[in-house]
Amino acid sequence: GDSVTQMEGPVTLSEEAFLTINCTYTATGYPSLFWYVQYPGEGLQLLLKATKADDKGSNKGFEATYRKETTSFHLEKGSVQVSDSAVYFCALLGTSYGKLTFGQGTILTVHP
Amino acid sequence: GAVVSQHPSWVICKSGTSVKIECRSLDFQATTMFWYRQFPKQSLMLMATSNEGSKATYEQGVEKDKFLINHASLTLSTLTVTSAHPEDSSFYICSANDAGTPQNYGYTFGSGTRLTVV
Repeated sequence: GDSVTQMEGPVTLSEEAFLTINCTYTATGYPSLFWYVQYPGEGLQLLLKATKADDKGSNKGFEATYRKETTSFHLEKGSVQVSDSAVYFCALLGTSYGKLTFGQGTILTVHP
Repeated sequence: GAVVSQHPSWVICKSGTSVKIECRSLDFQATTMFWYRQFPKQSLMLMATSNEGSKATYEQGVEKDKFLINHASLTLSTLTVTSAHPEDSSFYICSANDAGTPQNYGYTFGSGTRLTVV
């Protein structure tokens, strides 16, 4: 079945540092890939997405590229801010059933 | 953009009582909604898929008699935790799709409900 593996956290960075959160997946066919962000006590917000190989999703300075050859969708940001502190989830939507499959989530804490 | 409204945002109830959580799609119709449960510092666990006008589809291991789901209209799905016990305490989140192709747009999530059973 479909699965998503994220790098284990928590990740702690200083403000303006470079961020990478690794995400790899296993799926049949050509899934769509997403990054969601969850702030404390809230639901999930869509951060960015990519629907086919080599697509780059981007939003709020975050980027991720759909790499089919390495089955990866790593999240990057060049300069993080304290306000980026949250939990980040990588997810895939397979070609059947309409269900999202989530990674385990990565807690990011950014210090001033 | 599309909004999914979830209510209440938090609730405390006594053991043995039932609690209803509402999930509404605003400005769009949601044929399908999803209910998730999230434990502290853990990922989301899909509990069930709620389909308008039909019975919900529950994931393996989820007690359908305990977690009653009703999707009576295209904008409202409810999750009722019956005879709640402390182990049911958790964060419950719903989601819906606001476009015909979730593969392109993903899903919109509610803000979640923190249930505490005492």
